[in-house]
Order: sequence, then C-alpha cells, then structure tokens
Amino acid sequence: GESVGLHLPTLSVQEGDNSIINCAYSNSASDYFIWYKQESGKGPQFIIDIRSNMDKRQGQRVTVLLNKTVKHLSLQIAATQPGDSAVYFCAENIGRAQKLVFGQGTRLTINP
Amino acid sequence: NAGVMQNPRHLVRRRGQEARLRCSPMKGHSHVYWYRQLPEEGLKFMVYLQKENIIDESGMPKERFSAEFPKEGPSILRIQQVVRGDSAAYFCASSPSGRAETQYFGPGTRLLVL
Repeated sequence: GESVGLHLPTLSVQEGDNSIINCAYSNSASDYFIWYKQESGKGPQFIIDIRSNMDKRQGQRVTVLLNKTVKHLSLQIAATQPGDSAVYFCAENIGRAQKLVFGQGTRLTINP
Repeated sequence: NAGVMQNPRHLVRRRGQEARLRCSPMKGHSHVYWYRQLPEEGLKFMVYLQKENIIDESGMPKERFSAEFPKEGPSILRIQQVVRGDSAAYFCASSPSGRAETQYFGPGTRLLVL
C-alpha cells in the first residue's frame, strides 16, 4: 500500500549543530518528494523538493538526499537556529491527481 | 497577494451537529485540496477539486462528508452529524496548476467535537 514513514519521531539538537531527519517511503512509483515544515498552529510550509531522477538537492541551509535503492529520503539542516524548531514532514506525490501522501512527522527541537 | 485563507480557524461542535469549513484559495488558483490531520500525525489527503468539479475523492469517508468548489466563492468541506472522531485539523491547499509542487497550504481549521 501507500505509506511514507519516519524513523525518529523526535529529535533534539544544539543550536548551531547540523540535524538530519529521515524518511522511508514504500511506493517505488513515486517520482516527486517534498519536505514541509509545520510550526505550531500553522499549515505546512514548503522547504525543499526533489524529483526521483536526482539524488541530491541543496537549498539555503537545507539539503535533501534521495536513495531510491532503499527508498529513503533525508533532510539535512545546517547550522540550526531556534526558528528551525518545528515538526518536519516528508511527502510523496502519487498519481495524476497530484495528491500528496505525508509521513508521520519528526518534531525537531533546537536547544539554546 | 494574500495566501490561502481558511475560516473559521477554530470550530466547536456538539455531536450530531454540522460543521462547515471554508477555504478561499490564492488569487488565480483553481485547484483545491483538502487534508485532515489528527494530533501527532501527518496530513491525510481527502479530496481534490477544481472549479465545480470533484477530481479525486478517494480519501473522503463514504458518509457524512462532502466537498464543493463552486464557480464563485470559497471551497466548502461539510461534515454532517459530527462525531468525536472528526476532531482534527483540516487543511486546504490551493494550486494554480494542480501540480504537487505548487500546493500552498492554508492555516487550517481546528475542529473540536464535544
């Protein structure tokens, strides 16, 4: 069936350190993946995306890695800041309707 | 350019009442998606609509739930005879093209059923 899941539900990191959030997906037909950040009381906010024909993509302080062999996705956040504290979701695109399938989420806490 | 707007932001209903959730997409967006989020979980797709048409409702419960996106006005997610299990955050996203990477999410409506 369709499922996107995460290995770690919570992650605490010291401010300034790097963080890595992982995600496993099961649908090998998925061709597009997105990482979202959700702060308390708000909707998901787009961070970065990657297509299945790529294995790495970089943004500002964020990098997404895709390993299709083991169906694994990760989000790396460099030099974390207090504002990075949030729940992070990976999502995959399935089907022509372009609906998104979300994982469970990882709560990232940045300690001062 | 205002983002996706949802109202109300918080809604309290008693069991058996009806809940109406509204979503105004971003200007120029004709595609709307509704998702439901239970506490401590990811968002679950419910329905995808274009103006006046339901494109994909594979995530909608078979009973009590309906959605519309009329030619004029906001998209409405309607839940009839609410039960406690309907308590959740409901998010809508809008898109100008229907492509996943162009979905912009609203702030959500938190529904609490007493």
